[in-house]
Amino acid sequence: GAVVSQHPSWVICKSGTSVKIECRSLDFQATTMFWYRQFPKQSLMLMATSNEGSKATYEQGVEKDKFLINHASLTLSTLTVTSAHPEDSSFYICSARDFGGVNTEAFFGQGTRLTVV
Amino acid sequence: GEDVEQSLFLSVREGDSSVINCTYTDSSSTYLYWYKQEPGAGLQLLTYIFSNMDMKQDQRLTVLLNKKDKHLSLRIADTQTGDSAIYFCTGRGKLIFGQGTELSVKP
Repeated sequence: GAVVSQHPSWVICKSGTSVKIECRSLDFQATTMFWYRQFPKQSLMLMATSNEGSKATYEQGVEKDKFLINHASLTLSTLTVTSAHPEDSSFYICSARDFGGVNTEAFFGQGTRLTVV
Repeated sequence: GEDVEQSLFLSVREGDSSVINCTYTDSSSTYLYWYKQEPGAGLQLLTYIFSNMDMKQDQRLTVLLNKKDKHLSLRIADTQTGDSAIYFCTGRGKLIFGQGTELSVKP
């Protein structure tokens, strides 16, 4: 099956710094990528939908100036957590959908564990 | 808004069958999916069912769909310890997830 690579797998950063997480579709073109956040023992919360070549669509309550999303190509989307604080510590997962449309399978990255100290 | 509900926890013994249930509100999806998440990992697609089907069998997995009641279930036959994980159902284009069901398999 298709592979989505997410990098880094884990990162520790100091409070106030910014962290960039990459999500790449390795063998297919992803016009749409999704970014999720997951707290321990909880569901994946959809943060935003990233469309190649256009601005991301953020879910209600997600600060777009804090979580910057860039989808510059059909194989790469990035999430930058700006001025990170300890409450931003979480597990972030990206998902990429193959070119075929909204009902085709989505493939998930392995997730990034962010710890802000 | 759209909603997906699942029971939070299921515990079974190794070798037994597991049934994980899901109810959803949005009926517009052409496909409905089951994903598996192991600790500290992303989600892995387990199986899916086309919305005009009632049942789909895939080795140890059986998916049942009741469109009238908007109810989806996943049955795992001969459950193994390696099946211990969190299971999510979803169907929307944006892949909205519920809280997932944590399956614990005891030897």
